[in-house]
Amino acid sequence: NAGVTQTPKFQVLKTGQSMTLQCAQDMNHEYMSWYRQDPGMGLRLIHYSVGAGITDQGEVPNGYNVSRSTTEDFPLRLLSAAPSQTSVYFCASNKGGQGSYEQYFGPGTRLTVT
Amino acid sequence: AQSVTQLDSQVPVFEEAPVELRCNYSSSVSVYLFWYVQYPNQGLQLLLKYLSGSTLVKGINGFEAEFNKSQTSFHLRKPSVHISDTAEYFCAVSGSGSNYKLTFGKGTLLTVNP
Repeated sequence: NAGVTQTPKFQVLKTGQSMTLQCAQDMNHEYMSWYRQDPGMGLRLIHYSVGAGITDQGEVPNGYNVSRSTTEDFPLRLLSAAPSQTSVYFCASNKGGQGSYEQYFGPGTRLTVT
Repeated sequence: AQSVTQLDSQVPVFEEAPVELRCNYSSSVSVYLFWYVQYPNQGLQLLLKYLSGSTLVKGINGFEAEFNKSQTSFHLRKPSVHISDTAEYFCAVSGSGSNYKLTFGKGTLLTVNP
């Protein structure tokens, strides 16, 4: 199993550009989430999904869109990048259901918006 | 809603000394508690978790944590640290009915000096 994979690893955008951060998992997990990590802020939940076709907002959803058309993929879209979105983004997955307590994290995408 | 407070942003210690990283949480519902470790430029790895039962939980790399419900704390301890334990440590909480959403503390940077 590759686990949770994220692409790209690094990205530089100009203000106003759009892009999609990719996340995929091969563990057949029901739950997937996106977090952003900023210095001194810990990780904050952006959006999450409890299954294909079902998404919801987390703590900091503004400026981001998500969709979940398959169990495996959970892309994060920035429609018009802003410098405040400079951050490290982590995707995570969780098996779902009783007994599924651990979230598995991807290696992260480091995004800089100039 | 839950919240997590990590009481120390940085903890410097000497090699082979004991260490305690402090975490307090607040929640109106039953919770699951976690400690994650992040080595430089890497993703997050689960150290240990408390779900129910014994209040002393043991994790990987010789770490352990004690759940104290009356004090709403989940402090992480290691009796003797190594240089390789230098990393950032995050305490996290999820509601027992929503284990796909983690709320993180802001992190504690543990630096182990020779």
